[in-house]
Amino acid sequence: KAGVTQTPRYLIKTRGQQVTLSCSPISGHRSVSWYQQTPGQGLQFLFEYFSETQRNKGNFPGRFSGRQFSNSRSEMNVSTLELGDSALYLCASSTSWGGYTFGSGTRLTVV
Amino acid sequence: DAKTTQPTSMDCAEGRAANLPCNHSTISGNEYVYWYRQIHSQGPQYIIHGLKNNETNEMASLIITEDRKSSTLILPHATLRDTAVYYCIVSPTSYDKVIFGPGTSLSVIP
Repeated sequence: KAGVTQTPRYLIKTRGQQVTLSCSPISGHRSVSWYQQTPGQGLQFLFEYFSETQRNKGNFPGRFSGRQFSNSRSEMNVSTLELGDSALYLCASSTSWGGYTFGSGTRLTVV
Repeated sequence: DAKTTQPTSMDCAEGRAANLPCNHSTISGNEYVYWYRQIHSQGPQYIIHGLKNNETNEMASLIITEDRKSSTLILPHATLRDTAVYYCIVSPTSYDKVIFGPGTSLSVIP
């Protein structure tokens, strides 16, 4: 059974640019959540999607956005990148019985 | 904010049981206790979850107190590969805004 796939694994962007990260959940999982992880702040919740609808949102500025497609794949977008956006971005999918399965993450470096 | 408190760090001798405590005194009746761990630079890995009964799987055991205000994750025979940050989370289901605290950094020592 394939796990959660995140692409790309590594990314280097310049301040002011925008970036799109992709997440393919485990087949049959309809919920997808996104997290940002930095050494100083730990794992921070970004948002959660279920059946193409954003159901929960964390405390991040509007530069962070996401969407989910009908096949449950999800993307997140960060516009006008700042140095502080450098982080590991993690995607997790889940079913109702409980337990997230996380991807390996996308490591974004903003220079 | 996270609904749980955990010690910042713990050490455990290789081959011994690692007992990781978690306090969740404000847990609601419909909230489960979930445990995850994160090995350096990897995504967190689900370990186990429970509502009120003790649970065991191939990775660990979860002991939840009768009042459900605290729990303990037990790794019966810790190995060096168990060195990781362990997160305790409470949530109604996984379909929720799951907030991770700083977790417990477990070091298994040879």
